[in-house]
Amino acid sequence: DVKVTQSSRYLVKRTGEKVFLECVQDMDHENMFWYRQDPGLGLRLIYFSYDVKMKEKGDIPEGYSVSREKKERFSLILESASTNQTSMYLCASSLLAGYSNQPQHFGDGTRLSIL
Amino acid sequence: AQTVTQSQPEMSVQEAETVTLSCTYDTSENNYYLFWYKQPPSRQMILVIRQEAYKQQNATENRFSVNFQKAAKSFSLKISDSQLGDTAMYFCAFYSGGSNYKLTFGKGTLLTVNP
Repeated sequence: DVKVTQSSRYLVKRTGEKVFLECVQDMDHENMFWYRQDPGLGLRLIYFSYDVKMKEKGDIPEGYSVSREKKERFSLILESASTNQTSMYLCASSLLAGYSNQPQHFGDGTRLSIL
Repeated sequence: AQTVTQSQPEMSVQEAETVTLSCTYDTSENNYYLFWYKQPPSRQMILVIRQEAYKQQNATENRFSVNFQKAAKSFSLKISDSQLGDTAMYFCAFYSGGSNYKLTFGKGTLLTVNP
């Protein structure tokens, strides 16, 4: 089975801090994604990456950046955390889009609170 | 842009009964893929069922089946013989394939199965 591991289940940080959320997948997937999940809003795509060092903005990239130095690892960075970034963050991975019906596999999520 | 609408924020069903969750979407694409994902409380999001738009036959996975109406752009999920473990948030998702890697999610339906 595909395993997508997020480094923390719960994280509490302070306003203005630089925050790193880490995600690792073990199935050699090309695509990796970061979502934000908020009640009543569903999942919204922040960034995705289809290859090492490649990234594309999703629907809500403002205030976030990403890094993908190795194929298995995709990091989400909050450059200067703000309270409106308190949320559940989900990482996902999938095979190349050429395998077009390949589903995304999700991690357990990181519940981030910014105080 | 594609949109996915889940009109039922919450639903409940008695154990062993059947329930149907609604999903409609809007797209100008002819070939695409639809998914239902399940997110149990405090647990990982997992794929329940998928449907390719070019296939007329409705997908089935054990107690889960879909009613795919392409002309109406409707993709409902039917859960038969509901079990307590089916209690979860259910998300409908759309994927257009090709070089667009993005999954578009609905806002979710919280299903509670009552004993």
